[in-house]
Amino acid sequence: AQSVTQPDIHITVSEGASLELRCNYSYGATPYLFWYVQSPGQGLQLLLKYFSGDTLVQGIKGFEAEFKRSQSSFNLRKPSVHWSDAAEYFCAVGSNDYKLSFGAGTTVTVRA
Amino acid sequence: NAGVTQTPKFQVLKTGQSMTLQCAQDMNHNSMYWYRQDPGMGLRLIYYSASEGTTDKGEVPNGYNVSRLNKREFSLRLESAAPSQTSVYFCASSRAGEADTQYFGPGTRLTVL
Repeated sequence: AQSVTQPDIHITVSEGASLELRCNYSYGATPYLFWYVQSPGQGLQLLLKYFSGDTLVQGIKGFEAEFKRSQSSFNLRKPSVHWSDAAEYFCAVGSNDYKLSFGAGTTVTVRA
Repeated sequence: NAGVTQTPKFQVLKTGQSMTLQCAQDMNHNSMYWYRQDPGMGLRLIYYSASEGTTDKGEVPNGYNVSRLNKREFSLRLESAAPSQTSVYFCASSRAGEADTQYFGPGTRLTVL
């Protein structure tokens, strides 16, 4: 069975600074990997996904993520955060049986 | 194009009461899902429907039942609510299986007293 670990529960970053959110997964085969964002009181929105091919994936809102098979990681990055990036971020791993497994989430606070 | 809609948005139940959460999607998706979200635990899959006419258990199915009414609608029923079912419930849909992108509804916040 697949699983996801997001080691950081909460990250605080200054506006304009860079952001990196960590994600480690466990899955026996080639994984499908996703990053979702959830603003307060809202549903989840897809930021980006990796299925195959180029290991550096570009997403919406200026986010990118890099798949590293050797480290079982799929870390999310943004070069310069905006106040509107304050939200909760979820990493997820999917498989061929229609299921997604989510990490516990990382809450990002942006200070002025 | 509303995407995934859920009703109600909020609900308070007493222990032992029953209720049905409704979900509908207008994207002609084949697969639909029900998750619960609890603090510090991310989202956990309750039930899913890979295609119209099929349903399967997810990670935490106990205390719930589902019905895939048609291709658009997927309901979640709590027959006898318990305080442990206090949570935020999300419905999602995807075009096909194999971990295609899932699109989420706005959620239902349920409190069981």
